[in-house]
Amino acid sequence: DGGITQSPKYLFRKEGQNVTLSCEQNLNHDAMYWYRQDPGQGLRLIYYSQIVNDFQKGDIAEGYSVSREKKESFPLTVTSAQKNPTAFYLCASTPPSGFEAFFGQGTRLTVV
Amino acid sequence: DQQVKQNSPSLSVQEGRISILNCDYTNSMFDYFLWYKKYPAEGPTFLISISSIKDKNEDGRFTVFLNKSAKHLSLHIVPSQPGDSAVYFCAASAQGNKLVFGAGTILRVKS
Repeated sequence: DGGITQSPKYLFRKEGQNVTLSCEQNLNHDAMYWYRQDPGQGLRLIYYSQIVNDFQKGDIAEGYSVSREKKESFPLTVTSAQKNPTAFYLCASTPPSGFEAFFGQGTRLTVV
Repeated sequence: DQQVKQNSPSLSVQEGRISILNCDYTNSMFDYFLWYKKYPAEGPTFLISISSIKDKNEDGRFTVFLNKSAKHLSLHIVPSQPGDSAVYFCAASAQGNKLVFGAGTILRVKS
């Protein structure tokens, strides 16, 4: 079955630590995205990548970093510079037609 | 600057009745609109979409209406079922570019 896999589902991080969230897709989609969900804020775009080895900042990129070394993988690192990292993180990809986004199951990150 | 707005944080509807979820947008370049449904602790799933060249798209119990002059779209669910209880996100795209999402509306369907 094709889809997007995010891991882990739950993640706890101590303040001051970097942490990396995994996102893998086997849909052969070129474009991949990272969103963050907070209550009352909807889904806000962190980073996106249209092709391998290229990515752009979204609306709230500060404190985050990404890489896109393979088409299938788009990991997100939440750095210690991110002041309020506790949130639900969603990875998505879109087919060449570009419209409908397919989402992973999400990772809930909690800073303790 | 919220380009896509869902002004109702929540909506409660009786089973069997119609649910109407609303969405307003400000960017006149948006040409494709989508609705996503999201259950707690899960990723959103695509529900229905509409291109700006249409004013209505129907799929089973779900119909999306687009009023371009008012920059408004709505999702109608008829009849509403308890399994429809979820968060509904409106999203918009301009010429195939990144999706912009609204804040979501929590729909509760009471049996």
